[in-house]
Amino acid sequence: GAVVSQHPSRVICKSGTSVKIECRSLDFQATTMFWYRQFPKQSLMLMATSNEGSKATYEQGVEKDKFLINHASLTLSTLTVTSAHPEDSSFYICSAQGGRNTEAFFGQGTRLTVV
Amino acid sequence: AQKVTQAQTEISVVEKEDVTLDCVYETRDTTYYLFWYKQPPSGELVFLIRRNSFDEQNEISGRYSWNFQKSTSSFNFTITASQVVDSAVYFCALNNAGNMLTFGGGTRLMVKP
Repeated sequence: GAVVSQHPSRVICKSGTSVKIECRSLDFQATTMFWYRQFPKQSLMLMATSNEGSKATYEQGVEKDKFLINHASLTLSTLTVTSAHPEDSSFYICSAQGGRNTEAFFGQGTRLTVV
Repeated sequence: AQKVTQAQTEISVVEKEDVTLDCVYETRDTTYYLFWYKQPPSGELVFLIRRNSFDEQNEISGRYSWNFQKSTSSFNFTITASQVVDSAVYFCALNNAGNMLTFGGGTRLMVKP
């Protein structure tokens, strides 16, 4: 299957700092990328949908000023957690799709720990 | 609104046993897609299968098989002759024309030697 690379896989940061997570589709053009968040022993919850060249669509309850999403090209989307706090510690995972109703391929995930 | 329910939060079996993971979904769309993903301890999601709403044929892939019953809105997943390496969290998911995936709560499968 197609490859989606997510970086970094783990990050520890201090409270109040910002962290950027990258999601790249390596062998296809991703018109849409999705960002999910997963708390320990819980399911994946969609945070936002990002379409190349336009603003991301955030799910209810997700602060768009805190979780900045940029999808500047067809192969890269970034999620920046601004002014991170310990409660932002979670597993963040992206997925990318090449077109409507096509299979979504997931990145390896990023485990964020805010201390 | 879409919803995916995986009633079994944890299942424990002994190696070589067969195990079925249940998935029930709700959607108002007539066109939709159903998925199963495996999430090992490392965290990444491994794609297992994608099935569209118009294809009710059951599928077998090695030790894995899927039973799609549109009449009961279920898409169950069976692992035959389970192995320790099958231990993981398995997620069922639903995708409609909007493309976003709605995940079930996941079933943690533990296969003991």
